[in-house]
Parts: sequence; C-alpha cells; structure tokens
Amino acid sequence: DAMVIQNPRYQVTQFGKPVTLSCSQTLNHNVMYWYQQKSSQAPKLLFHYYDKDFNNEADTPDNFQSRRPNTSFCFLDIRSPGLGDAAMYLCATSRGDGGTDTQYFGPGTRLTVL
Amino acid sequence: AQSVTQLGSHVSVSEGALVLLRCNYSSSVPPYLFWYVQYPNQGLQLLLKYTSAATLVKGINGFEAEFKKSETSFHLTKPSAHMSDAAEYFCAVITNRDDKIIFGKGTRLHILP
Repeated sequence: DAMVIQNPRYQVTQFGKPVTLSCSQTLNHNVMYWYQQKSSQAPKLLFHYYDKDFNNEADTPDNFQSRRPNTSFCFLDIRSPGLGDAAMYLCATSRGDGGTDTQYFGPGTRLTVL
Repeated sequence: AQSVTQLGSHVSVSEGALVLLRCNYSSSVPPYLFWYVQYPNQGLQLLLKYTSAATLVKGINGFEAEFKKSETSFHLTKPSAHMSDAAEYFCAVITNRDDKIIFGKGTRLHILP
C-alpha cells in the first residue's frame, strides 16, 4: 500500500547529541512536511518542501534542519537537542495541488531527550 | 486569516451514545475543512474532508460532518459511539494559497462503558 513511513518510531538521544529522523513516501507527492507535536497539543509546522523548494516557518528554531535528497525521502536533523525538543515528530505529504489538497501523515517518531 | 476553534478539550460519551465534536472556523474565503483522528502514539488519520461538493460529508468509521456556512461550523458526529473511537480528534482548515493546514487544538474523546 502507498504510504508515509517514519523511522524510527521511537528515538532516544542525549542532550546536545545530534539526531536525524527519517521519512519516506510511496505516494509520489510533491510536498513533504515536518511537524512537531507536544503532549496534548496540535501539530506545529516546522517546515515543508515543495519539490526541492524549502519553506521554513518563521518561528522554527535554527536547531532544526531538513534535507530532501529526492522525491521519496525527507530528513529532519536536530543539531543539538534540548529537553524542550522532546516531542512527537510527524511527517506528512500532499500532492501540492493546493485548495482541497489532503495531507497524509506518517505514524510519527517519538523523540526522548535525556 | 483562517482559524479553527474546537469547543471542549475533552468530551465523554457513553458507549452507544451520540458523539458530537464541535468545530467552528473563521475564513475570509471559502474554506476546505478536515477532521483527523489520532490514536495514542500514532500519526493523524484523515476521517473526512469538505471541499464544497456537498455540505454533509461522510467519512470512515461511521463519522460524518455537516458544513453550515451560516453558523461557520463543521461539527463531527457519529450516531453510536464505540470503545474504539476513543482518541484525539483535530479539526483543520487549509489555506489554498500555500498548502498550509491550520489545526484546532484538538478534542480528546473518552468513551464510557
């Protein structure tokens, strides 16, 4: 089945130790998103790629970076994780048609920072 | 600017009872509206979406929502709650210019036996 896959599902890292989260999709969608979701809160958009064009949200900390080497894969790099970065990280994709475009979410990666 | 307000951060209903989760939107242009469900430690799953084709939208798992322009509402309903419906539900609106989706704060649905 076509889907959005995130690896790993659970990630533990140490304070200040760089970590990379992975997302892949078999939907061949143009747009890929990264969201941060803290407990009992709505997902917060960090950034998204429209094809190779990177779009950063204004309030996304510099500590968060992203790479999209090809259509299928997108990575979230946290350069120096702090305790406040512990959260669920959600990847999503959409065709990029705008308007009625639906976002399809992966299962998420829960990040713990020790 | 578009926004979404979900009334009630927690809703409890008895198994077999009607489920009603409220969502009101604010939009300067015709909105496209969504309901997503999130089970514990899972991503968001699309329940249904409104794209102006029909005001009553049927989704998965027996859920439906009605778009009411006069009330700026898009409430989610299910006639008979099941224990498996216990989850977090997010209402969302999309801005058709830049593909950004705006989520409400979510409503956690509790099902009482």
